[in-house]
Amino acid sequence: GQNIDQPTEMTATEGAIVQINCTYQTSGFNGLFWYQQHAGEAPTFLSYNVLDGLEEKGRFSSFLSRSKGYSYLLLKELQMKDSASYLCAVLDSNYQLIWGAGTKLIIKP
Amino acid sequence: GAVVSQHPSWVICKSGTSVKIECRSLDFQATTMFWYRQFPKQSLMLMATSNEGSKATYEQGVEKDKFLINHASLTLSTLTVTSAHPEDSSFYICSASRSTGEDIQYFGAGTRLSVL
Repeated sequence: GQNIDQPTEMTATEGAIVQINCTYQTSGFNGLFWYQQHAGEAPTFLSYNVLDGLEEKGRFSSFLSRSKGYSYLLLKELQMKDSASYLCAVLDSNYQLIWGAGTKLIIKP
Repeated sequence: GAVVSQHPSWVICKSGTSVKIECRSLDFQATTMFWYRQFPKQSLMLMATSNEGSKATYEQGVEKDKFLINHASLTLSTLTVTSAHPEDSSFYICSASRSTGEDIQYFGAGTRLSVL
């Protein structure tokens, strides 16, 4: 079966750095996405990785290792508004998006 | 660019009535649109994938006669929840991919449906 694992919940302090991990086992791989979802709102696109390595976009960076079936989302200089759920999703060989359950990130002052 | 509008954002209806939800791509053409359902504290559950001008492809366990999907144009898809019941109460979210083949899905704001 297809499976995406990410921690259920994480807590971090305002101004700090946090890394949210995602491991996947899917039938094929055509890219990995990270989305941010605030409570009661729809997801918004953060990043897309299809090749190994680190993609940096402002305070957010996303890393991918295809051989390890592993990705992480790195958030720097955390702000209170970063409190949200972060969803990892993988595009499989049929170009179907497989969603993780999401990681709820709680930022404390 | 890549704005998706979903309407209504919130609807309350009586059991047995039908509710239509619209999803529009405002500044791009969307060959493919997706409809998701999300229960509290759970991840997105894909209900169906719709391509413009053809019948929607429903995920296993999703009743196509209950959740009618129409994708009449490259910018509009609708989901109609027919004969809604309290167990249909949920957060429904649409997304769209550009017709250029880009795989990024851009999401609408979602519709919170409460069936009394």
